[in-house]
Amino acid sequence: AQSVTQLGSHVSVSEGALVLLRCNYSSSVPPYLFWYVQYPNQGLQLLLKYTTGATLVKGINGFEAEFKKSETSFHLTKPSAHMSDAAEYFCAVSHSGGSNYKLTFGKGTLLTVNP
Amino acid sequence: DAGVTQSPTHLIKTRGQQVTLRCSPKSGHDTVSWYQQALGQGPQFIFQYYEEEERQRGNFPDRFSGHQFPNYSSELNVNALLLGDSALYLCASSFPGLNTEAFFGQGTRLTVV
Repeated sequence: AQSVTQLGSHVSVSEGALVLLRCNYSSSVPPYLFWYVQYPNQGLQLLLKYTTGATLVKGINGFEAEFKKSETSFHLTKPSAHMSDAAEYFCAVSHSGGSNYKLTFGKGTLLTVNP
Repeated sequence: DAGVTQSPTHLIKTRGQQVTLRCSPKSGHDTVSWYQQALGQGPQFIFQYYEEEERQRGNFPDRFSGHQFPNYSSELNVNALLLGDSALYLCASSFPGLNTEAFFGQGTRLTVV
């Protein structure tokens, strides 16, 4: 079984401040990890993904995440927040084993950016 | 490229009714997955279709069924609607690999009254 926990349902930052959204996962096999963003009344857009290889993953819009196996974490960061980053962010896990084809999502973190 | 398109965008149904939601995948994609996103929650996997067969199913009752057509488009059917079925239903398309990117549509907002 696999699961995702996103710490903090709501994060508020000032424009220009560091963004840190936390994600911890549980998986019995090596995971594939994803961050998606959802703007109001829209579907999900992939920000970045980790499958194998380099543990620091760079994505779109200046976001990056680091896979830390020892901490079972995949936190999302951005050095400087923009107003346009305000959205809901979802961490998701999949894995390469067996016949698992589904993404398991966390409950999401709503990011607010204050001017 | 139109991306993943879903129809309708909004729908209101009465308890006990049946509903059909439709999805056209992104050009070149042959795999379609359906997710249910309740208000304030993350998406939950309903099932995935590949080569017109249900390949994997999440923890949803048999009232939820689906179909994939030869052109890879897909339908999600829900019978005997309950108030708790009110949610945003998302369709995602991809290539069949395990770690390929899933592209999501904008969803169908279903309200059951």
